[in-house]
Amino acid sequence: AQSVTQLDSHVSVSEGTPVLLRCNYSSSYSPSLFWYVQHPNKGLQLLLKYTSAATLVKGINGFEAEFKKSETSFHLTKPSAHMSDAAEYFCVVSELGYQKVTFGTGTKLQVIP
Amino acid sequence: DSGVTQTPKHLITATGQRVTLRCSPRSGDLSVYWYQQSLDQGLQFLIQYYNGEERAKGNILERFSAQQFPDLHSELNLSSLELGDSALYFCASSAPGSTQYFGPGTRLTVL
Repeated sequence: AQSVTQLDSHVSVSEGTPVLLRCNYSSSYSPSLFWYVQHPNKGLQLLLKYTSAATLVKGINGFEAEFKKSETSFHLTKPSAHMSDAAEYFCVVSELGYQKVTFGTGTKLQVIP
Repeated sequence: DSGVTQTPKHLITATGQRVTLRCSPRSGDLSVYWYQQSLDQGLQFLIQYYNGEERAKGNILERFSAQQFPDLHSELNLSSLELGDSALYFCASSAPGSTQYFGPGTRLTVL
């Protein structure tokens, strides 16, 4: 069975400081992992995905994530937060050719001016 | 813009009623997925269709049903609505073995 745990429900950072959103997963197979972002009253937008190629994945808007199999983690980072990054972020694990998809509970990122 | 469209954007109805949510996938995508996002349950997978056939089922209630038509658009039917069905309903589409792209969602309010 697969599962995903987002370790923080809320993260608050100052503008210009680094962002770290934590995600741990479990999977019986070689999973695909994703980060999606949801701005208020908007749909989900794909930030980046890991599908067993390079372990360091670069996404849109300066975000990146590193797949660490030994730690079963897929943390999302950004060197410098921008006000427009304030949103909710979902870590997602997928198995079996994307047929089985599990979302984390989400992390709300607040960016303080 | 993901290329996935959903209508209507907002829907307000009363308990006991029935509603239909519509989704048009990205051009060429054969798979359509439905999700429910609510405050207490988070984001939950409901059901997947592939080229008109049901492919996978998640936490979908018996009062809910879906179908995918020959033109690949999909409809999610919710009946005997309860207050707890108030949520944001997302549709996503994907090509075989590819990432899901999400629509903007339909916000359902049951009064």
